[in-house]
Amino acid sequence: AQSVTQLDSQVPVFEEAPVELRCNYSSSVSVYLFWYVQYPNQGLQLLLKYLSGSTLVESINGFEAEFNKSQTSFHLRKPSVHISDTAEYFCAVSDSWGKLQFGAGTQVVVTP
Amino acid sequence: DTGVSQNPRHKITKRGQNVTFRCDPISEHNRLYWYRQTLGQGPEFLTYFQNEAQLEKSRLLSDRFSAERPKGSFSTLEIQRTEQGDSAMYLCASSLVSGPYGYTFGSGTRLTVV
Repeated sequence: AQSVTQLDSQVPVFEEAPVELRCNYSSSVSVYLFWYVQYPNQGLQLLLKYLSGSTLVESINGFEAEFNKSQTSFHLRKPSVHISDTAEYFCAVSDSWGKLQFGAGTQVVVTP
Repeated sequence: DTGVSQNPRHKITKRGQNVTFRCDPISEHNRLYWYRQTLGQGPEFLTYFQNEAQLEKSRLLSDRFSAERPKGSFSTLEIQRTEQGDSAMYLCASSLVSGPYGYTFGSGTRLTVV
């Protein structure tokens, strides 16, 4: 069985400050990890994913996440946030067939 | 390619009524997933199809719920005798191949049962 824990339900952050969203997972098999972002009244958009290889993965809009097998974590970071990064962020783990198990989400609120 | 399309975007219904949602996946995608998202929670898996075959159903999918994907194209999710607890966002997603590669979500259908 797989499960995902997002340790923070809400993270307030000032514009241009760094942010870290924490995600821990449990799985008895090989893991594939994802971060999705959801803007208000919209569906989920894939932000980045870890399938294999380098443990540090990056997105096109400045986010990065590091897969840490020993700590079973996949934390998401951005060194400098914008107002437009205000959204809900979901960590997810996939089985080999593609079915996703999501965490409860972390609401990021960026203020000027 | 216009992405994954879901209709309607919003649906308000009275308790006890039946509702049906439609999902049109990206045209070449052979896998289609349904998820349900309640307020303050992450999406929960309901069911998925590979082409027209329904391969797995979650225990969340009670006998009041039925999903179909005729001819392996669009899919419908029907809820019979709706209850207030069915109020949620219903999300559809599709992917080209099986495997842990992530998939494309639609914008969802928000159901409110009054």
